[in-house]
Amino acid sequence: TQLLEQSPQFLSIQEGENLTVYCNSSSVFSSLQWYRQEPGEGPVLLVTVVTGGEVKKLKRLTFQFGDARKDSSLHITAAQPGDTGLYLCAGASAGGTSYGKLTFGQGTILTVHP
Amino acid sequence: DTAVSQTPKYLVTQMGNDKSIKCEQNLGHDTMYWYKQDSKKFLKIMFSYNNKELIINETVPNRFSPKSPDKAHLNLHINSLELGDSAVYFCASSLGQGMINIQYFGAGTRLSVL
Repeated sequence: TQLLEQSPQFLSIQEGENLTVYCNSSSVFSSLQWYRQEPGEGPVLLVTVVTGGEVKKLKRLTFQFGDARKDSSLHITAAQPGDTGLYLCAGASAGGTSYGKLTFGQGTILTVHP
Repeated sequence: DTAVSQTPKYLVTQMGNDKSIKCEQNLGHDTMYWYKQDSKKFLKIMFSYNNKELIINETVPNRFSPKSPDKAHLNLHINSLELGDSAVYFCASSLGQGMINIQYFGAGTRLSVL
């Protein structure tokens, strides 16, 4: 069974601070996705990383896929109250009968205080 | 138009009852999913259908029965509801099951079993 350990589970910071969320696994994934979920809504995709070592930037958000495709990180620079939400990482299975199946991390609840 | 819509948004029912949740996607996707999100926000896949064919069936009690009348619809029927079934259930869809497998989620159905 593939597992994704996401940390921290909770993060409460002040506006303007930087933060990093981590996702780690002992399994290799074909891709790693980051979703953001707001209360009362479903998760919405932020980014997909596919290649080991890949770095993608989305305004103040920087996503990195580990070289071995087993881990990923999300870094937010100068967090704003609008960044508040639940962040989920999800790995797509690399092969076998579960090819493409997404395994989600436990999620990080981020609160940015003005 | 909502891409992935599920009804109802809220469902409050008594233990032992049978209930259904409906899901429809207008994205032209071939693959649809049901996920369960527990009180700790952990999102776990339950079922996946590709073009009306069951692809993923995780360890879910057989009281849960998905039905896909066509590739745009995936409904979830739950028999003999138990307290532990209380959760938010999300429907999702994707173009296929490839290595990237971007999924689009509905807004969720919050099920409360009393």
